[in-house]
Amino acid sequence: QSVLTQPPSVSAAAGQTVTISCSGSSSNIGNNFLSWYQQFPGTAPKLLIYDNDKRPSGIPDRFSASKSATSATLGITGLQTGDEADYYCGTWDSSLTTVVFGGGTKLTVL
Amino acid sequence: EVQLVESGGGLVQPGRSLRLSCAVSGFTIDDYALHWVRQVPGKGLEWVSGISWHSGNIYYADSVKGRFTISRDNAKNSLYLQMNSLRAEDTALYYCAKDVSPTVGPTVGGFDCWGQGALVTVSS
Repeated sequence: QSVLTQPPSVSAAAGQTVTISCSGSSSNIGNNFLSWYQQFPGTAPKLLIYDNDKRPSGIPDRFSASKSATSATLGITGLQTGDEADYYCGTWDSSLTTVVFGGGTKLTVL
Repeated sequence: EVQLVESGGGLVQPGRSLRLSCAVSGFTIDDYALHWVRQVPGKGLEWVSGISWHSGNIYYADSVKGRFTISRDNAKNSLYLQMNSLRAEDTALYYCAKDVSPTVGPTVGGFDCWGQGALVTVSS
């Protein structure tokens, strides 16, 4: 059971927009920076979003994120088949004093 | 080119020890926190441990506390994970990762560089 809750899977048609939610509590998302990762099978995770809503260089602006209270959302616009991957949210948990990740969401592009 | 290369993984019997290394090139690690994250193939990410830039702040997941020790050598641009009393449930792919922040804690902003992973299999 992950500290951060993500839907196991989401799907949307190519060209459409999809959102992935990440729910936590005041000890993690509510008071700490959140990050999002993309992972393709057999490869290491890749940072998509850091410090809640910042994109590293090279990440297209089709990827965006927002945070409100104890939940956060990753949005992907103009879906491409190449976006099919697993997506994880992560943050620091001040009560556990550990980094915590969501269980991951598998994105399928129809 | 930024590279993090893990080594030291392998097959080990329960109760034995293993030491993972992560050699970093392309940037100096002095200014950044570093972490170990593991993943059982087909499963999600599990954070294992993190160490601040000056080694002054070190944290562990409860699942490894008291058995694993993280350390770093900034002069060698390297990160280490000493794993003792290994258990079957420690079997996973172990990634080293660089933090965007210099410290471990509420300032953890995200892991922007990852290695390719070192596979650790604990089995008799």
